[in-house]
Amino acid sequence: AQSVTQLDSQVPVFEEAPVELRCNYSSSVSVYLFWYVQYPNQGLQLLLKYLSGSTLVESINGFEAEFNKSQTSFHLRKPSVHISDTAEYFCAVRSMEYGNKLVFGAGTILRVKS
Amino acid sequence: NAGVTQTPKFRILKIGQSMTLQCAQDMNHNYMYWYRQDPGMGLKLIYYSVGAGITDKGEVPNGYNVSRSTTEDFPLRLELAAPSQTSVYFCASSASSGSGYTFGSGTRLTVV
Repeated sequence: AQSVTQLDSQVPVFEEAPVELRCNYSSSVSVYLFWYVQYPNQGLQLLLKYLSGSTLVESINGFEAEFNKSQTSFHLRKPSVHISDTAEYFCAVRSMEYGNKLVFGAGTILRVKS
Repeated sequence: NAGVTQTPKFRILKIGQSMTLQCAQDMNHNYMYWYRQDPGMGLKLIYYSVGAGITDKGEVPNGYNVSRSTTEDFPLRLELAAPSQTSVYFCASSASSGSGYTFGSGTRLTVV
């Protein structure tokens, strides 16, 4: 059965603190992994992706995620968050096991407080 | 550079009414998708298309229909609106099996 689990529905954090948003998936075959961000009343925007190669991928605004095959995880991290990072973040997986279509987690709302 | 365009942005329907949500992309992508987003549930795939003339059901297709007569357009049809179809609907497209999706800005639908 397909499954993408985001372990936290909401993560409150103070500005300039580090944050980790967790994502685990279940698949026995090769996967492509994505993180999307959704700002209030907007569509989803691609934040970063892992297709192959280096297991550590980075975005242009300071986020990074590491693909861990043994733990089937793709956690998103940022060493110092800003108020503007407040948004909902979705982990997504694409594999032949899921019919080669994106399967999304339930989302994690990141609330950055001043 | 429009990307994926969805119309309308908001709509209120009465139970039993029908409507079509429009989606158009200008990137010449073969793959197009319709998702619905409900709070705490993430996005669920309704229908998808791998090219003009080809459509297939996703995870939650009941109550919806689609067509793909051109590469650019992928409309979603609700025939008999029900309160359970109150949701935010997103259209997306992708160029290939390894690429991410480009999303539209969504249509917020309320059925009363």
